[in-house]
Amino acid sequence: DAKTTQPPSMDCAEGRAANLPCNHSTISGNEYVYWYRQIHSQGPQYIIHGLKNNETNEMASLIITEDRKSSTLILPHATLRDTAVYYCIVRAGIGGKLIFGQGTELSVKP
Amino acid sequence: DADVTQTPRNRITKTGKRIMLECSQTKGHDRMYWYRQDPGLGLRLIYYSFDVKDINKGEISDGYSVSRQAQAKFSLSLESAIPNQTALYFCATSDLEETQYFGPGTRLLVL
Repeated sequence: DAKTTQPPSMDCAEGRAANLPCNHSTISGNEYVYWYRQIHSQGPQYIIHGLKNNETNEMASLIITEDRKSSTLILPHATLRDTAVYYCIVRAGIGGKLIFGQGTELSVKP
Repeated sequence: DADVTQTPRNRITKTGKRIMLECSQTKGHDRMYWYRQDPGLGLRLIYYSFDVKDINKGEISDGYSVSRQAQAKFSLSLESAIPNQTALYFCATSDLEETQYFGPGTRLLVL
């Protein structure tokens, strides 16, 4: 599975959009991009995933560049409860395992 | 996620003791996983199972064993606990798209 690179930490003002970047320059054609978050030692929570196209759900949007070497998770209106560690993970399809890296610690401030 | 439960939630044990951590799920998923997390680090995969008759080692299986008693139950055992197995342990299940759903975790301290 491809390795990902994320900034170790980011700040965001409450109510503003949080844009979390992820580089995955060695991603291959059958590998998906997944995002999870972990709030203070709770179990990680699935956010969104995609292969090529941009995706949106009730939690976030995922923007994947055309060459698929990077992606951005967007939380459109960050709240204090979005403070968490966000993990970007690249994995193959059926049978691929999640490999968690260090993630980005997002702090949403009032 | 209340659909994935772990027992116990906290456990203190002594070096050399055998302990078992249990995981149950009501999501009807075939796939189940055990991870450990150390302070400041990401999750590392210990074992995973794609169905009742399928058990696979993950990144760090040494010192651990698992049992898949039923589709809904996946147990992790430490045969002889050692202090560096002190960690936060998570169980997870997944659907065919590999969206994983995690339990609340078991905090284990080995003295």
